[in-house]
Parts: sequence; C-alpha cells; structure tokens
Amino acid sequence: KAGVTQTPRYLIKTRGQQVTLSCSPISGHRSVSWYQQTPGQGLQFLFEYFSETQRNKGNFPGRFSGRQFSNSRSEMNVSTLELGDSALYLCASSLQSGGNTGELFFGEGSRLTVL
Amino acid sequence: AQKVTQAQTEISVVEKEDVTLDCVYETRDTTYYLFWYKQPPSGELVFLIRRNSFDEQNEISGRYSWNFQKSTSSFNFTITASQVVDSAVYFCALSEARRGSTLGRLYFGRGTQLTVWP
Repeated sequence: KAGVTQTPRYLIKTRGQQVTLSCSPISGHRSVSWYQQTPGQGLQFLFEYFSETQRNKGNFPGRFSGRQFSNSRSEMNVSTLELGDSALYLCASSLQSGGNTGELFFGEGSRLTVL
Repeated sequence: AQKVTQAQTEISVVEKEDVTLDCVYETRDTTYYLFWYKQPPSGELVFLIRRNSFDEQNEISGRYSWNFQKSTSSFNFTITASQVVDSAVYFCALSEARRGSTLGRLYFGRGTQLTVWP
C-alpha cells in the first residue's frame, strides 16, 4: 500500500513569490493535515482537512492556505514568501476525523528554501 | 493548553546500551492520546506507538518499551540494547480526544536527537 506522497520534495523560491505544495494521502484516508517543521519552532500544526472542509487551523498568518479535493488529495499554498517560511512541510493522512483518534501517517515532506 | 516537553535535546550512547527518552506533558483534558514518532534523516515521521489516557499499562515491543505514568504526566520511551539504526530524532506528541475534536492536530515536543555509536 503506497504511503503519503508529497511533491515536490525540494524547492527553492525567492522572497515575495508564492508556492504550492501537494499531498496525496494513503488510499482510503479522508483526513489530511499539514505541519511546518523548523529548527526554531519545531513541529507546528498548520491545518487539517476532512471531506474537502477545513476542520482546524493553527496559528499561522493568512498567507498560509490550503484545500482538499474530492479525491482527498490536498494542496497548501504560501503567498508572499518570507525568509522565515523556509522549512520542512509535512503532510499526514489518517482514516477519520474527530472522535476516536487513530494514527497519523506522514509523508517525507517538502523542503522549502526561501532566498 | 496542551504542551509536551522533551527536556533531552541530544543523547549519545554506544551500541548495546539502554537509553530512555523522557516526555512530560500538560493538558486539562481527561481524555487524550500520547504518541511517539521517530524521524530518520529522510524526514518522514514514523509512528511508533499511541496510548490513550485510560490505559496506563506499560507496553513492550521488541527492544522498545514505554512507561506511561499519569500521576507524573510522563510517557517515557526506552530502547534496550540500542543499535546504530536507532539513531534518529524522536518526538513525543499529545492529541486531544474530545468529541468532535480534530484527529490530525498533534502537539509535539521539540524532539530528542539520539545518536548511537558503533
């Protein structure tokens, strides 16, 4: 069974640009969540989507947005990039949302460098 | 508010030594879940264990064992007879388990870098 797939794995952008990252969850998983990992702040929750609806959002500015498609694939977008947005962006999928917590399966991440 | 503290930033051991990674958490919830994840250099977070707040039984899986103590809000992880392949960053995490809560929101500790030398 294929795992969580994130693309691209590595990318370099300059300040002011925008970037879109993609995540394909494990087949059958309907919940996708995103995390940002930086040396300074550690792993921080960005948002979670379930059945194309955003269920929860972390404390990030509006420049960070996401969406989920009917096939459960998700994208996140960061506009007007800042140097501090350089990070590993991790996507995780799970079978369900709410109630009984299951496991989160993570992808290998997209490493974004902002110059 | 939820908070997870992993006081050990880095640990170095020699192969075959036992090592314990500490995790202390804070939550006002009576029902919650605790996790351990391993992050090798590739970046992917690998699930190791989930424990719910009502189950204080310790668990052993091969060389891995976990000690959950609600009285001290700790969920420590021990690797017995460590191996070089155990070298990685290990994260402890906490999630809410309220009705209608988001499944995907985990609160992570800052991680412990474990290096096992041959």
